[in-house]
Amino acid sequence: NAGVTQTPKFQVLKTGQSMTLQCAQDMNHNSMYWYRQDPGMGLRLIYYSASEGTTDKGEVPNGYNVSRLNKREFSLRLESAAPSQTSVYFCASSERQGSRYTFGSGTRLTVV
Amino acid sequence: GIQVEQSPPDLILQEGANSTLRCNFSDSVNNLQWFHQNPWGQLINLFYIPSGTKQNGRLSATTVATERYSLLYISSSQTTDSGVYFCAADYGGSQGNLIFGKGTKLSVKP
Repeated sequence: NAGVTQTPKFQVLKTGQSMTLQCAQDMNHNSMYWYRQDPGMGLRLIYYSASEGTTDKGEVPNGYNVSRLNKREFSLRLESAAPSQTSVYFCASSERQGSRYTFGSGTRLTVV
Repeated sequence: GIQVEQSPPDLILQEGANSTLRCNFSDSVNNLQWFHQNPWGQLINLFYIPSGTKQNGRLSATTVATERYSLLYISSSQTTDSGVYFCAADYGGSQGNLIFGKGTKLSVKP
């Protein structure tokens, strides 16, 4: 039982490049989330998907897009990367909104 | 806005010591979760505790929802307890998403 799997684990981008972070869960959870973690800022919600077919903005959505591909997969896309998007990105899932969260191992992204 | 405050921000312990971490939240919550981020960056869910007390080995947590705080107790600390401890509050509403505190960084010395 893998839980929440994120790929890639590390990535370096040049300013203006695009990329997609992948997230998949095998726990049959309905809700999925993308957070970013910056030093001294804790974790901040970027986007979430309460259930398959729905997505909504969180606290810091600018510069990002998401796709809930199916119940298992929730991807995060950076269309034109900026140095301010250098961060560690975490995907999480829960059975439903308000239930216990399980996090992936994170993606460390550097934009130069 | 909604606030989740943790104290202390940093804590250094000798192995074997006990500690209490505190989480205050500014409004009534639907649930409260505690996480441990280990030195390799992994976030592990320790407790889902909207109210009352739960125990898991050397760790226990208590949430007093009416007074808007939660406590995480670590007894007989070990070096593997080192890392950052986050609490996160779910205020419900249309989003029902977790708002994280900034964490308590714990270092346990051998």
